[in-house]
Amino acid sequence: AQSVAQPEDQVNVAEGNPLTVKCTYSVSGNPYLFWYVQYPNRGLQFLLKYITGDNLVKGSYGFEAEFNKSQTSFHLKKPSALVSDSALYFCAVGPPNDYKLSFGAGTTVTVRA
Amino acid sequence: IAGITQAPTSQILAAGRRMTLRCTQDMRHNAMYWYRQDLGLGLRLIHYSNTAGTTGKGEVPDGYSVSRANTDDFPLTLASAVPSQTSVYFCASSVSPANTGELFFGEGSRLTVL
Repeated sequence: AQSVAQPEDQVNVAEGNPLTVKCTYSVSGNPYLFWYVQYPNRGLQFLLKYITGDNLVKGSYGFEAEFNKSQTSFHLKKPSALVSDSALYFCAVGPPNDYKLSFGAGTTVTVRA
Repeated sequence: IAGITQAPTSQILAAGRRMTLRCTQDMRHNAMYWYRQDLGLGLRLIHYSNTAGTTGKGEVPDGYSVSRANTDDFPLTLASAVPSQTSVYFCASSVSPANTGELFFGEGSRLTVL
C-alpha cells in the first residue's frame, strides 16, 4: 500500500521569507512524487514531479522540491514566499505502472504581507 | 480553452435520490479519474479509467459507479445518495498513467446530501 503524510496542517510565513511544506511517503519500489496547489474554490494545479534523476526538482511559480530517499521525504520549498502563494498544497505519490495517485491531507499555507 | 468541464457546480440533494455528476474533457487524454475531497482527508480516488471502455475501482468506490463510453466523457453516478457522500468531487485526466504524467483537474462539483 502507498501513503503520504503531510505533518503540518498549516504553515504561516512572512512575505519574503523561505517557505517549506513537508511531505513523507511510503510506497513499494521507486516512488513517483508530485506536488499540487489548490487556490480557493478551484481545482488542483500541478506544480512539479519527481520520477527519476536529480534529487532537486524545479517546478512552476519558483517552487522546488527535494527528494530524499533515505528519509522518504519530498519537501516543497520556495526561497522567497509571496502573498499570492497562499493556498492549499497537496503532496501525492504513485508506484510505477499504476494509474492511481495517493494524496496527502493537504497543508494550508498563509503568507502574510 | 481546453480543459475539463464538470457539472453541476453545486447541488443539494435529498438522501435516497440518484445523482449523476458530469465530466467532459477536450484534451483527448486517455486516463480519467474521480476524486472526492474532504476536510482533513485530502483527495481520495473513487474510480478511474485508463482508456475508453475500461474502468477500475479506487480507494473509496462504494456507493458510486462510472462509465467510459468514449474518450471525452466520464460521468459519476450515485445510485442512492447518503449524507456521507456530501463532499466536493473533482474529475481529472492525464495523457498517460497518473504516476508519470500531470493530472489536469476540473473546478469541482460541491454536493450536499441531506
